[in-house]
Amino acid sequence: GNSVTQMEGPVTLSEEAFLTINCTYTATGYPSLFWYVQYPGEGLQLLLKATKADDKGSNKGFEATYRKETTSFHLEKGSVQVSDSAVYFCALSLNSGGSNYKLTFGKGTLLTVNP
Amino acid sequence: DGGITQSPKYLFRKEGQNVTLSCEQNLNHDAMYWYRQDPGQGLRLIYYSQIVNDFQKGDIAEGYSVSREKKESFPLTVTSAQKNPTAFYLCASSTWQGEETQYFGPGTRLLVL
Repeated sequence: GNSVTQMEGPVTLSEEAFLTINCTYTATGYPSLFWYVQYPGEGLQLLLKATKADDKGSNKGFEATYRKETTSFHLEKGSVQVSDSAVYFCALSLNSGGSNYKLTFGKGTLLTVNP
Repeated sequence: DGGITQSPKYLFRKEGQNVTLSCEQNLNHDAMYWYRQDPGQGLRLIYYSQIVNDFQKGDIAEGYSVSREKKESFPLTVTSAQKNPTAFYLCASSTWQGEETQYFGPGTRLLVL
């Protein structure tokens, strides 16, 4: 079956540090890949996505590149801020029949950024 | 503003009681979804609906029921058969054709008294 594995947290960084959260996937077919972010007590927000190999998704200083050869979609940011503290979810989407797309999520990585 | 609303934000259930979580969207999306989130387990799909008056079971449907009588509404009932209902419940929606991105509501936290 399809699955997403992301690095376990928690990850604690100082402000302006470099961030990497690793994500690898297993899928039958060619999925689209997503990063969602969840701030405390809130729902999920789409952070970025990539729909085919070598695509780079980017938003708010975050970026991730769809690497088909390594089945990876690692999230990076050059300089984190305290406001980036949240749980980050990697996810994949595959057509499960007809036009129905099913999202499969990783377990989430808690990021805490200290001033 | 277009978006997804969920109510209530917190819900308390007594033993043997059924409770219903509300999810409404004004995005004109055809597909809607319910997820359950437990600490350290990510999100798991409970039910989804691709069109009005039609819905399918997800990975953990036992103890839950849904209806889809209107395009904009997809309520979830947590029945007394669900023995471990304490969790954060998230509703999401997406367009029908070719758009895989799902948009999420703010969530409802269900607690058992």
